Amino acid sequence: QKEVEQNSGPLSVPEGAIASLNCTYSDRGSQSFFWYRQYSGKSPELIMSIYSNGDKEDGRFTAQLNKASQYVSLLIRDSRPSDSATYLCAPNKGLNSGNTPLVFGKGTRLSVIA
Amino acid sequence: GAVVSQHPSWVICKSGTSVKIECRSLDFQATTMFWYRQFPKQSLMLMATSNEGSKATYEQGVEKDKFLINHASLTLSTLTVTSAHPEDSSFYICSARDPSYGADTQYFGPGTRLTVL
Repeated sequence: QKEVEQNSGPLSVPEGAIASLNCTYSDRGSQSFFWYRQYSGKSPELIMSIYSNGDKEDGRFTAQLNKASQYVSLLIRDSRPSDSATYLCAPNKGLNSGNTPLVFGKGTRLSVIA
Repeated sequence: GAVVSQHPSWVICKSGTSVKIECRSLDFQATTMFWYRQFPKQSLMLMATSNEGSKATYEQGVEKDKFLINHASLTLSTLTVTSAHPEDSSFYICSARDPSYGADTQYFGPGTRLTVL
C-alpha cells in the first residue's frame, strides 16, 4: 500500500461549486496533515494543516480529518478558476519531527470551469 | 509563513558540466533542509535530507556522488549536479521547516528548473 493515495483526477467542477479532494494514508502514527497547492511549473505552497479529528476551516477552505479511517480531505467552497491546480496531501509522522521530510502523494489535479 | 529562496530559478547547461543550486532560509535557521525533484507531470520525489554540519541522507536510488549536497550553515544548503546529462533535466525544489511556526510545517523554495542540452 502506498503511503499516500490520492485520486489523480482531473477533477472538474463548475465555478462556484464545492470541490472535494480526498486523501488516504497508511501510517497510523501520522499526527499532522498538510495540504499544499501546486500550480503548473511552480513549487508547492502550503494551504492548510490539520492536527485533530474533525473539521478546520480557513476562508473558503475546510480540511477534514478522520484518523480512525486514515482519511483526510480538503473542501474548497465557491470554487474559482484560479483554484485550478494540483493539490497535494502530506501526512507527517509526528510533532516536532524536524528531520523527517514530508512524503507526498501524486496529488489531485483540479480544474474549475468558468 | 517562512521564506525559502533558491538560486538560480532556471539554468541551461551543456551535458557533462556541473551545476550548483543554492537554497536559503531567509528569516529562520534550518538545521535540516530537504531536496526534491519533479519531472513533468510526475509527483514530488524526495532526493535527500540535508543536515547542517553533517553528511546528507540520500533516498534509495539517488547517487550521492552525482548529487552533492553541502549544508555548511544554518541558512544555506547547496545541491551540485555533477556531470549533468539530459536525463537530469528536471525541476529541483528545496524545502525547510521553521521551528517558530511549528517544527513540522514544511515550506518550499520556488524551485530551479534545470535543462541539460
